[in-house]
Amino acid sequence: DAGITQSPRHKVTETGTPVTLRCHQTENHRYMYWYRQDPGHGLRLIHYSYGVKDTDKGEVSDGYSVSRSKTEDFLLTLESATSSQTSVYFCAIAAQDSLANYGYTFGSGTRLTVV
Amino acid sequence: DQQVKQNSPSLSVQEGRISILNCDYTNSMFDYFLWYKKYPAEGPTFLISISSIKDKNEDGRFTVFLNKSAKHLSLHIVPSQPGDSAVYFCAAPTQGGKLIFGQGTELSVKP
Repeated sequence: DAGITQSPRHKVTETGTPVTLRCHQTENHRYMYWYRQDPGHGLRLIHYSYGVKDTDKGEVSDGYSVSRSKTEDFLLTLESATSSQTSVYFCAIAAQDSLANYGYTFGSGTRLTVV
Repeated sequence: DQQVKQNSPSLSVQEGRISILNCDYTNSMFDYFLWYKKYPAEGPTFLISISSIKDKNEDGRFTVFLNKSAKHLSLHIVPSQPGDSAVYFCAAPTQGGKLIFGQGTELSVKP
């Protein structure tokens, strides 16, 4: 496999509760990304990281925070989950010098439902 | 503003025929483009890419065509097979190499 795993795979949570999704890679890639997939919107970038403790916002970052304390782990936190955050979340990794030829490698996704 | 657009949410074709998936973009500075394929309950996987200095790239049954003057690219699958049924995303890199994606087109290949 590509060496990227997401956990949990499925989660149901209540509105207003905090939720943390984990992305773990064994490829030692520098770049990591969190996307959400929604019908009619495709994949939209939430946050990304270009190294340990180096993160930045994507186009839909409101209500989300991230942390990267180790190269292999990139955590996405919903501080107070809302129904609009019900989505499928994908983590991706990239070795930037191969992006033009291979792009990102994606995890299998986390399906999050906020009730 | 959607810089990469896939205006057809779905496409249905007969097995053995050609599938043509389209993608439009607005930023003429994109250096290359990529296509991803996604099966249900799986992450997207890289399919094929094309540099902006080329107008065609071929890999087996998959060919991507780039028309820079029209800011349009298309993915051709010939011949289409039932296993090709999936959602296809086109993507392009923004500043810093972050990929932006189109909305996706769901391809259904009927036996």
